[in-house]
Amino acid sequence: DQQVKQNSPSLSVQEGRISILNCDYTNSMFDYFLWYKKYPAEGPTFLISISSIKDKNEDGRFTVFLNKSAKHLSLHIVPSQPGDSAVYFCAARGLGGLTFGKGTHLIIQP
Amino acid sequence: KAGVTQTPRYLIKTRGQQVTLSCSPISGHRSVSWYQQTPGQGLQFLFEYFSETQRNKGNFPGRFSGRQFSNSRSEMNVSTLELGDSALYLCASSTLAGADTQYFGPGTRLTVL
Repeated sequence: DQQVKQNSPSLSVQEGRISILNCDYTNSMFDYFLWYKKYPAEGPTFLISISSIKDKNEDGRFTVFLNKSAKHLSLHIVPSQPGDSAVYFCAARGLGGLTFGKGTHLIIQP
Repeated sequence: KAGVTQTPRYLIKTRGQQVTLSCSPISGHRSVSWYQQTPGQGLQFLFEYFSETQRNKGNFPGRFSGRQFSNSRSEMNVSTLELGDSALYLCASSTLAGADTQYFGPGTRLTVL
């Protein structure tokens, strides 16, 4: 049973436009959510996080939105740049540590 | 500050063998977590160690085990390797157990033939 779902395996966005990556979760006990970015042959790199008591967190070009009632979070990247092309993992913190989604491969088109 | 290091980076084994992977956390970090990444399952949590004690365990068979040393370095062991154990094994460190942010190493790519 997948508790954290990223339903889009891949997403293609034009450079300069907004990239929106989505994540759904089922466990209402999750209290903290994170986004990681991963390049090939490297480990995931922490990008941005949000506590369950907030609904928005912003860091430069990256904004994470949390909708607790819908058990949904999203990552917005504005404007998208070529270096943003990577796999993005959504993660949620619960009693058993971090649970990750399967990732979304973001491709930024020139 | 040096990042998380994992050795070896690549490993090829045959079915039935056992393997030990090593992880050195960021200096000052006392928590080490291990994950398995496969194309079909994504990142799956194996276990977390803090102060030489296993704090959390994921849903993996007993063939997967780990330990942490007094200097916070950690090893994971997989016995009786199966083809399905081929994966990227990632180690992550954090300051505390269950910390908000984990810092990942580059991973060890294990191939089981």
